[in-house]
Parts: sequence; C-alpha cells; structure tokens
Amino acid sequence: GQNIDQPTEMTATEGAIVQINCTYQTSGFNGLFWYQQHAGEAPTFLSYNVLDGLEEKGRFSSFLSRSKGYSYLLLKELQMKDSASYLCAGTGGGYQKVTFGTGTKLQVIP
Amino acid sequence: EAGVTQFPSHSVIEKGQTVTLRCDPISGHDNLYWYRRVMGKEIKFLLHFVKESKQDESGMPNNRFLAERTGGTYSTLKVQPAELEDSGVYFCASSQTRGPSETQYFGPGTRLLVL
Repeated sequence: GQNIDQPTEMTATEGAIVQINCTYQTSGFNGLFWYQQHAGEAPTFLSYNVLDGLEEKGRFSSFLSRSKGYSYLLLKELQMKDSASYLCAGTGGGYQKVTFGTGTKLQVIP
Repeated sequence: EAGVTQFPSHSVIEKGQTVTLRCDPISGHDNLYWYRRVMGKEIKFLLHFVKESKQDESGMPNNRFLAERTGGTYSTLKVQPAELEDSGVYFCASSQTRGPSETQYFGPGTRLLVL
C-alpha cells in the first residue's frame, strides 16, 4: 500500500516563496502528482515527477527524491489566488492507482 | 473541449434511500476513475474503468456501492441503501491512456449528505 504525509496547513505572504513538503512510503511506486484544489472545485493538475530532480513550470516547481521518498512543491511570487489546498498524490501498485495525501491548505496573506 | 462533468452537484438523502451519481468523462478518454473524500480525510480511490470494464475495484467500501459504465462512455455510481458514513464528496476523473504518467482530469465532485 501507500502512505502519503504532508502538512495540514501553511500560511505565507503575498510575493513570497513557499515550499510544501510531502513524504511517501509506497510499494510499486511510479511517480508523484501535485494537484491544486480551490474550495468547492475539482483538483487541477500541477505537475508529475517520475525522475529525481526539480521540474520548473513558471511560478511552480516540483522536486522528487525517490531514494528519500520525498517531494516538495515550490511556489514563487505568491499571489492571493494561490490560496488553495495542494494535494500530493503517489501512483503505483498497477493500473495508475493514485493515493492522495490529506492535502495542505495554503493561505496567502497580504 | 468540455471537462469531466458530474451530476448532481449536491445530494441530500435520508439513511436507507438510494442515490445514483453520474460522471461524464472527457470525450475519448477510455479510463474513468471514482474517488471519495470523507470529511477531514484524504481523497480515496474507489475504482477504475477501462472503457466498460472494471479494471480495479479494490477501493469499493462494500456491496452497497455499484458502479457501471455501460457502453464505455458515462459512468454511474449507485449507493443502495445509503448509510450515514457514506457522506462525502465523490469525485470522478478520466484519463486518455494507461501510461503511469497519464494525468487524471477531475470533475467538480458530487457532495453527498446522508441524514
């Protein structure tokens, strides 16, 4: 099975940088997703990491270390609209089965 | 291109009643997934269809839940009879291929409240 851990809540200031960490323990691990979910809306895809290292997409970057079972999502130049829950999710165990963490609720303050 | 749609957006029913949730995946997506998020917990996998076939239903909680995808297009998830612990948000997602890096696109969810 899979176990995903991430902080429950974080607060950061508009314009700043925030790093949301995620650790996982999993069998048959394939890769790791990050999704963004605004309250009452569908989770939306941010990134997928399979290989070790950092992948950058505009203001968002995601990092994976397979040997350490660790990932983080880095958000730069924070905007108020970035206030949302950020879901870490691992894939594995065949058939693209996705296991989600509880999500990190990020609040961006002025 | 339309995204994943789900109906209804909200449902409030009494314990013992039946509810049927519907999911329309993105057109052309063979893979369809059902997930559930119970209050305060993580999103949990329920099952996975490839076209009309159930590929993995290991997450279905019990036999009160029945999922179908006749014709390989839209899917329904029926809960009969509903219990209080079934309350939560039911998400549907779809993806095009079965590759491990294939992104799953989520619908807005159906919020189910069983009283």
